[in-house]
Parts: sequence; C-alpha cells; structure tokens
Amino acid sequence: GNSVTQMEGPVTLSEEAFLTINCTYTATGYPSLFWYVQYPGEGLQLLLKATKADDKGSNKGFEATYRKETTSFHLEKGSVQVSDSAVYFCALSDRPLTGNQFYFGTGTSLTVIP
Amino acid sequence: DAGVIQSPRHEVTEMGQEVTLRCKPISGHDYLFWYRQTMMRGLELLIYFNNNVPIDDSGMPEDRFSAKMPNASFSTLKIQPSEPRDSAVYFCASSSDGSEQYFGPGTRLTVT
Repeated sequence: GNSVTQMEGPVTLSEEAFLTINCTYTATGYPSLFWYVQYPGEGLQLLLKATKADDKGSNKGFEATYRKETTSFHLEKGSVQVSDSAVYFCALSDRPLTGNQFYFGTGTSLTVIP
Repeated sequence: DAGVIQSPRHEVTEMGQEVTLRCKPISGHDYLFWYRQTMMRGLELLIYFNNNVPIDDSGMPEDRFSAKMPNASFSTLKIQPSEPRDSAVYFCASSSDGSEQYFGPGTRLTVT
C-alpha cells in the first residue's frame, strides 16, 4: 500500500544553516507530493508541491524535487531563518482506481536558533 | 476568501458529554476532510467527503464518532459520548480537486 516516511526530529539548526528534511514514499500509482508547514497553534499550510516525476516545487526559499527513481521528495533550504521554526509534513495524494488516497508523514519539528 | 472556518476554536467538556465540531469549507471546494492530531499518534485522517458524500471513513476510531455534511458549505464531527482519550486538536480541510488541501485553524478539544 501507499505510505510516506519522513526523517524523525526534532531538528535544531543555527540561523543561516542548510536544511534537509528527508521524505520517501511508497505508491502504487503516480502520486502528487506535498510539503506542508505547521506553525505553533495553527493549522497546516501548503508549502510546496510537485505533481509528476522530476518536477521541482519551490516556495519561500524551500525546494523539493520529485524523484521517482529513488521515491523521494526531500525538502531543502539553503539558509534557514528563526521564522522557519515549525513542524514540516511530507504528504502524498494518489488516485488509484479504488478512489483518492491521502497520506501524511509523522512530521519533523524544526527549531532555528539565532 | 476567508479560508476554512472551524468552530469552536477551543472546547472543554466533561467525559460522557456530547461534542459537536463544525466546519465551513472554502466555497467551491468539493472535498472536505476531518483530521485528528495528537502528540502520540500524529495527524490522522478520520473521514473525507466528496460532493457531500462520505467516501472513506475507515479512520473513524469507533462508533462514538460520526460526521455529516448536509450541504456543500457545512460539516459536523460529533463525538458521543466523549472520553478523555478523545482530547486532541481536530482539523478540517477542504480541496477543490482532492489533492492540494487547505486546512482550518483547528479545534482544541479537552475532555476531562
């Protein structure tokens, strides 16, 4: 079946450090992949997405590339800021014949210290 | 657009009481999702609707939970009777195509 696995946290980085949060997936079809961000006390917000292999999603300095050969969608940012402190969720949406399926990873907490 | 609206934002109730959570999706979105988030179990999909019809309720934990969508602009999640282990943040999300989801601010439920 389908699933999403993302790296465990928490992750603590200094401001301006490079960020990578790993995400791998298992899917039977051709899923769309997403990264969502959740700031304290708020709901999840879509950060970026990619709908097919080799697509690169980007937003607010974050990037992730849909790699079908490695079934991965790792989130990266070249220089993190304190305001990036949040929980990041990798997610998958698939549409097999049996109907839409949705999967979220367990979330990775990021803390950026000045 | 106002985004997904949930009410109440906070709910504190005693064990055994009925709890009703409400959600108004983004206008024009045909999909509506209910999630539960806890520290122990993370984010769990409880049920989702497409065009007001429940499609997958396999995540609903037990018969005490029920969800309805009487029209395209309103949905409820009801817990009866409530138990302390139901304490969590409940999110509603909507989507136009069943793929990209827009989340509400959540309802923090505390059952004492």
